[in-house]
Amino acid sequence: DTAVSQTPKYLVTQMGNDKSIKCEQNLGHDTMYWYKQDSKKFLKIMFSYNNKELIINETVPNRFSPKSPDKAHLNLHINSLELGDSAVYFCASSPSGLVETDTQYFGPGTRLTVL
Amino acid sequence: AQTVTQSQPEMSVQEAETVTLSCTYDTSESNYYLFWYKQPPSRQMILVIRQEAYKQQNATENRFSVNFQKAAKSFSLKISDSQLGDTAMYFCAFMITSFQKLVFGTGTRLLVSP
Repeated sequence: DTAVSQTPKYLVTQMGNDKSIKCEQNLGHDTMYWYKQDSKKFLKIMFSYNNKELIINETVPNRFSPKSPDKAHLNLHINSLELGDSAVYFCASSPSGLVETDTQYFGPGTRLTVL
Repeated sequence: AQTVTQSQPEMSVQEAETVTLSCTYDTSESNYYLFWYKQPPSRQMILVIRQEAYKQQNATENRFSVNFQKAAKSFSLKISDSQLGDTAMYFCAFMITSFQKLVFGTGTRLLVSP
């Protein structure tokens, strides 16, 4: 009965490769997010989608492209991976859209290591 | 821009004791939410407690309570009867009602020892 799941949990890859991280939530939430946690544990939002529509796009390199096939899924595709992309990536979801703010529930995170 | 400051990088406490983690924030908005999240070694981000800015009453969840001082823009977390399982990074976070995105502090690492 996992609420927000991410695959894979660990991802090790070479510089220059393209990789994807998948996120699924079974909570029936409208809004999904991607956050990045760097090596100093600092967490920062990257994107957010509401009902498959992009609503937040922070200053993230355009090598990062989120895709939301339906409101239960938000995948993150990263092109031409760089060393600085090494981090833990968290997916999150919240029950309300733009009408009101509510609590965000996080997935287990994906540790990406770029060699 | 909104910022969240956690001035204590690390704290230690013994089992059964009480510890308070500090958090201050900066905003000119009047409608917002504040949260404390816990990140144990498992890496999972777990919601501990949330506070709506329009509520004067401090939120409590079992052994966890907050001291919300809106004028001072302060939002501290008190953990009573600390347990070994409370060992984790604790993040204070802020969200403007209309924006949906969480702005996090840098975290406080809490170690609970026997």
